[in-house]
Amino acid sequence: ETGVTQTPRHLVMGMTNKKSLKCEQHLGHNAMYWYKQSAKKPLELMFVYNFKEQTENNSVPSRFSPECPNSSHLFLHLHTLQPEDSALYLCASSQVGNSGGELFFGEGSRLTVL
Amino acid sequence: DAKTTQPPSMDCAEGRAANLPCNHSTISGNEYVYWYRQIHSQGPQYIIHGLKNNETNEMASLIITEDRKSSTLILPHATLRDTAVYYCIVRVAAFGNEKLTFGTGTRLTIIP
Repeated sequence: ETGVTQTPRHLVMGMTNKKSLKCEQHLGHNAMYWYKQSAKKPLELMFVYNFKEQTENNSVPSRFSPECPNSSHLFLHLHTLQPEDSALYLCASSQVGNSGGELFFGEGSRLTVL
Repeated sequence: DAKTTQPPSMDCAEGRAANLPCNHSTISGNEYVYWYRQIHSQGPQYIIHGLKNNETNEMASLIITEDRKSSTLILPHATLRDTAVYYCIVRVAAFGNEKLTFGTGTRLTIIP
């Protein structure tokens, strides 16, 4: 496996369900990110983890709960979501301290909330 | 981070050079210009970045005006696989988290 891998690629859930999105990076990076992309809207930064510590929460509702157990893995736990939370959720990683400033994105998890 | 302005859409004939403009008139001296693209329903892909000199890599060239208030991304020989939304972003490369702010970008369609 190379790059940034996200699972599942597609997820349909009801508003009372609890599910999780998983992201794994194989690049040796030390920062990981969750972005949300709703239909016809720009990407929105949700969370940033730097060396496993959360350094940014961009006013995200508590029904989204991130977890970063180590530098290679990032989860987004979902519970009691709303239909407007349906979107493409993108994970990314980067190497802090590298002035190249490149974010490497996964393919995304497309979430539909019924 | 400085705001950018891009045309919402552009067409380009296959095999021709695609020139995508970006205005960033409020750019600061320490802000870099980054370009990413997003092919339909995939994650964004880094293309290139620069500070004030023109840059070239295997994917594209980046031309930044002398006053740095605008730039142009050039795809020298566009193919159908270059059809995507292209994002121009300016930010300080602060050796920290890369909290890129994406706008609405330019939807580039390559015409056969």
